[in-house]
Amino acid sequence: DQQVKQNSPSLSVQEGRISILNCDYTNSMFDYFLWYKKYPAEGPTFLISISSIKDKNEDGRFTVFLNKSAKHLSLHIVPSQPGDSAVYFCAAREETSGSRLTFGEGTQLTVNP
Amino acid sequence: DAGITQSPRHKVTETGTPVTLRCHQTENHRYMYWYRQDPGHGLRLIHYSYGVKDTDKGEVSDGYSVSRSKTEDFLLTLESATSSQTSVYFCAISDYDGNEQFFGPGTRLTVL
Repeated sequence: DQQVKQNSPSLSVQEGRISILNCDYTNSMFDYFLWYKKYPAEGPTFLISISSIKDKNEDGRFTVFLNKSAKHLSLHIVPSQPGDSAVYFCAAREETSGSRLTFGEGTQLTVNP
Repeated sequence: DAGITQSPRHKVTETGTPVTLRCHQTENHRYMYWYRQDPGHGLRLIHYSYGVKDTDKGEVSDGYSVSRSKTEDFLLTLESATSSQTSVYFCAISDYDGNEQFFGPGTRLTVL
């Protein structure tokens, strides 16, 4: 079963607007969440993370929100730029699994100039 | 950027042949991972290592084996490649206390 789900395979936004990428999870033992960005022909790169004891973490244009009761997290990018066009993966770590991560399917973000 | 290289970067092989992919790191990180990326599935963990000669299975380990005889190298072997193993393979590393994993550039494997 898919413990981390990204239900939107793709998202298209205009440059300067907000991009919101969503992720849902089913495992209540997840205690740490991460977002990775992936450009074509490259490996994923770490973007931002959040611990389950927080509900928000911000880093420049990127903010991650965590709603534990809904088992939902989202990544906000404001303002969106064409260079943000990439596949975004949500990932989660279970507190008893050490450093192992479970990834979602990914969402292709396209930012149009 | 974390010092991770993967070789080969591209490979085409035939069904039934053995294939070995190599991941090499220069960061001296304890943990190493092998993932495959397929459309609609994201990244799925194949095997991982938590030290030299210490490895364990991930969620899609059938048909794959790994070895880690040195801290810097983690090998993924397909004993007898099948078309279902056509994929992009990524290696990743993390340090003991790290939550973040650093990924290599990937290997595109095609099994005909």
